[in-house]
Amino acid sequence: DQQVKQNSPSLSVQEGRISILNCDYTNSMFDYFLWYKKYPAEGPTFLISISSIKDKNEDGRFTVFLNKSAKHLSLHIVPSQPGDSAVYFCAATSNFGNEKLTFGTGTRLTIIP
Amino acid sequence: GAGVSQSPSNKVTEKGKDVELRCDPISGHTALYWYRQSLGQGLEFLIYFQGNSAPDKSGLPSDRFSAERTGGSVSTLTIQRTQQEDSAVYLCASSLGSYTGELFFGEGSRLTVL
Repeated sequence: DQQVKQNSPSLSVQEGRISILNCDYTNSMFDYFLWYKKYPAEGPTFLISISSIKDKNEDGRFTVFLNKSAKHLSLHIVPSQPGDSAVYFCAATSNFGNEKLTFGTGTRLTIIP
Repeated sequence: GAGVSQSPSNKVTEKGKDVELRCDPISGHTALYWYRQSLGQGLEFLIYFQGNSAPDKSGLPSDRFSAERTGGSVSTLTIQRTQQEDSAVYLCASSLGSYTGELFFGEGSRLTVL
């Protein structure tokens, strides 16, 4: 029972263009969503988050959009840079104050110079 | 050290043997988590320690898995009578325990069961 789904296992984007990574969830109790980034042989690192009371959160080149009615969120990276090449995990949790995260399977992003 | 430290980084064992994986969290972090990532899968929650509260063991896949956290700091994940399906990267994370969702992960321990 995959409650957080990332249906694209991989994505290739030209340097300088926009990267859009998608994530869908099934549990309507989820109220806080996060993106983590993972380089090979390293642990995941926190990238950006969004609460269900918002529909957009922006941090520099990274913006996360949340569509609660569609149970869908996306991460936009613009402009994409070679250092953005990594695996991106979407994560979600419920009951504000609970840090037990449910992760998706990840999307491998490759930025083409 | 400044980050979450895990050991060993790689462990190869024979089916049926017991293994112990160690996690040293960031100093001052009250919450500690164990996750695992099997090939082609997402990160699967295993167990969660928060301060002196009883741990949340709801993610442990079988009674062969156990974990403890001594003195509110170092944690050990023990897998008894390992099976081939236990092969995965075991990731430890810690956090301040205040709600941000921001977990700090170690580099993981890659377990291979032959």
